Amino acid sequence: SQTIHQWPATLVQPVGSPLSLECTVEGTSNPNLYWYRQAAGRGLQLLFYSVGIGQISSEVPQNLSASRPQDRQFILSSKKLLLSDSGFYLCACSGQDEKLFFGSGTQLSVL
Amino acid sequence: GENVEQHPSTLSVQEGDSAVIKCTYSDSASNYFPWYKQELGKGPQLIIDIRSNVGEKKDQRIAVTLNKTAKHFSLHITETQPEDSAVYFCAASLLVRDYKLSFGAGTTVTVRA
Repeated sequence: SQTIHQWPATLVQPVGSPLSLECTVEGTSNPNLYWYRQAAGRGLQLLFYSVGIGQISSEVPQNLSASRPQDRQFILSSKKLLLSDSGFYLCACSGQDEKLFFGSGTQLSVL
Repeated sequence: GENVEQHPSTLSVQEGDSAVIKCTYSDSASNYFPWYKQELGKGPQLIIDIRSNVGEKKDQRIAVTLNKTAKHFSLHITETQPEDSAVYFCAASLLVRDYKLSFGAGTTVTVRA
């Protein structure tokens, strides 16, 4: 079964600073990869998904971008963070069985 | 697109009692219905799922039922324990290569000892 590595676990960044969150997946090839955001006490909002290297679909317009430089690597970035970017960011993947599995998440606080 | 509604938003049960969470979906083409459990500060964990060709599935104290005609599905937890306290999310999707799950808003379950 696949393993999702996501880091860091927590991150505190000042407004206007850049962001790079990385996610790598083991145990599966050619997975679909996803970035979700969860505001405190709220549901799961899909930000980006990717069905292959270099293929990124954005679900909501925002201050963030995503890239997939390798088959099992997914990166979430921002050039300048906003206060509203604070939240719990989750990487997820689905493989041949099409079940969706989540990583452990990154708690981002923008101050 | 698919719209999933989940009820209740909070649920408090006495240890040993049963908990039931209900979800409805809008797209009759949806054919995959997973449930996730999220503990504080952690990512959601897939606990059980069901496909539209099955009406019920059980795994120890957890069961899920699906009514395709009414477009609703439910999670049943029997003999609840304190470790069942968490936020539970239902979801629905059409299983295609680039499928995306539509999630419910979540139910916070508290099991009272």
